[in-house]
Amino acid sequence: SQQGEEDPQALSIQEGENATMNCSYKTSINNLQWYRQNSGRGLVHLILIRSNEREKHSGRLRVTLDTSKKSSSLLITASRAADTASYFCASIYSGAGSYQLTFGKGTKLSVIP
Amino acid sequence: DGGITQSPKYLFRKEGQNVTLSCEQNLNHDAMYWYRQDPGQGLRLIYYSQIVNDFQKGDIAEGYSVSREKKESFPLTVTSAQKNPTAFYLCASSWVGQATYEQYFGPGTRLTVT
Repeated sequence: SQQGEEDPQALSIQEGENATMNCSYKTSINNLQWYRQNSGRGLVHLILIRSNEREKHSGRLRVTLDTSKKSSSLLITASRAADTASYFCASIYSGAGSYQLTFGKGTKLSVIP
Repeated sequence: DGGITQSPKYLFRKEGQNVTLSCEQNLNHDAMYWYRQDPGQGLRLIYYSQIVNDFQKGDIAEGYSVSREKKESFPLTVTSAQKNPTAFYLCASSWVGQATYEQYFGPGTRLTVT
């Protein structure tokens, strides 16, 4: 399987705390993306980080990328109950006529009010 | 109102029957994708298409078929050859050529085969 791995599989925190999720991937990438999925719904794109970037911010989200370790992390600061969802990373490789997109298995985040 | 739609939201079928899931987008995206999601398995790519009348197998294409006759539409047929078809099916679309492949997802179809 080409799937990446997220860690942890599940995370439960109190509202106001920070949540950190990690993602590992297996091949070279052009970029890595993080998505959010509310229960029983489609995925929503959160943030993209390119292979030549090391860190990116968007609101309460901070993403890091370490291409030497083939890993990324998503930090959600000051979490809210509405952040409760599953979070997936997706690694993207495209070039020379080929294309590969691989989703991880996800981290299920529960934020307790 | 732009977006990607899937219908129906819930689908029930008897074993041995083929069933077709609908996916339509009005975002003018070139590429469309079908994923299967099982509990604890994340998303697995079934088929994708980057241009009309062309499509490629993903990681788990066996037992599925697709067509791409129009840019807006990418229906997925789950055939009787698919041994374990009960799952949540997600359709997505994206631009091609920007090297980002940010995907826009539909709301999903939950298929139950008994």
